[in-house]
Amino acid sequence: DAGVTQSPTHLIKTRGQHVTLRCSPISGHKSVSWYQQVLGQGPQFIFQYYEKEERGRGNFPDRFSARQFPNYSSELNVNALLLGDSALYLCASSLDTTEYYGYTFGSGTRLTVV
Amino acid sequence: AQSVTQPDIHITVSEGASLELRCNYSYGATPYLFWYVQSPGQGLQLLLKYFSGDTLVQGIKGFEAEFKRSQSSFNLRKPSVHWSDAAEYFCAVVKPGGATNKLIFGTGTLLAVQP
Repeated sequence: DAGVTQSPTHLIKTRGQHVTLRCSPISGHKSVSWYQQVLGQGPQFIFQYYEKEERGRGNFPDRFSARQFPNYSSELNVNALLLGDSALYLCASSLDTTEYYGYTFGSGTRLTVV
Repeated sequence: AQSVTQPDIHITVSEGASLELRCNYSYGATPYLFWYVQSPGQGLQLLLKYFSGDTLVQGIKGFEAEFKRSQSSFNLRKPSVHWSDAAEYFCAVVKPGGATNKLIFGTGTLLAVQP
């Protein structure tokens, strides 16, 4: 079974640009969550989606948005990029939103904003 | 608001020595507790988790953790460290019964292993 796959693995963007990050969950997992990990910090929760509906949102500006598709894959979009958006973006999938199953994380997308 | 504290930013141990990484949480009730490991350039791998029951939890790679309610702690231990254990370790909590199972992470402890 494939794990959680994220694309691209790395990208460089200029301030003010827009970026789209993609995530495919483990087969059978219906929930996808996004985390931002700034260098030297622990991951911070951005969004959780379950069955294509937003179930939770972290303390991030409206420049951040996401969606989940019928096949349970997900996109994270960030508009008007700032230098501070440079981070490792992690996607995690889980069976559902209960705490018992926990997450499986992807290897992340390293975003550099210049 | 709930928070997780990992007081040790960086720890260096010799290969074969024992290891203890500290984690304290601040929460109104006992949360669910997790330890994750992150190798350079990689995602997070779950080492172990605690929901209830026996306060000593066994995980993968020879790790264990002990939940101490009185100290609001969930420290990670390993009796003999291997060079391959060098990585960053994150303690995390989940609020029981919430609308999401979002994880709240500590800032991490970077483990270096000396030969």
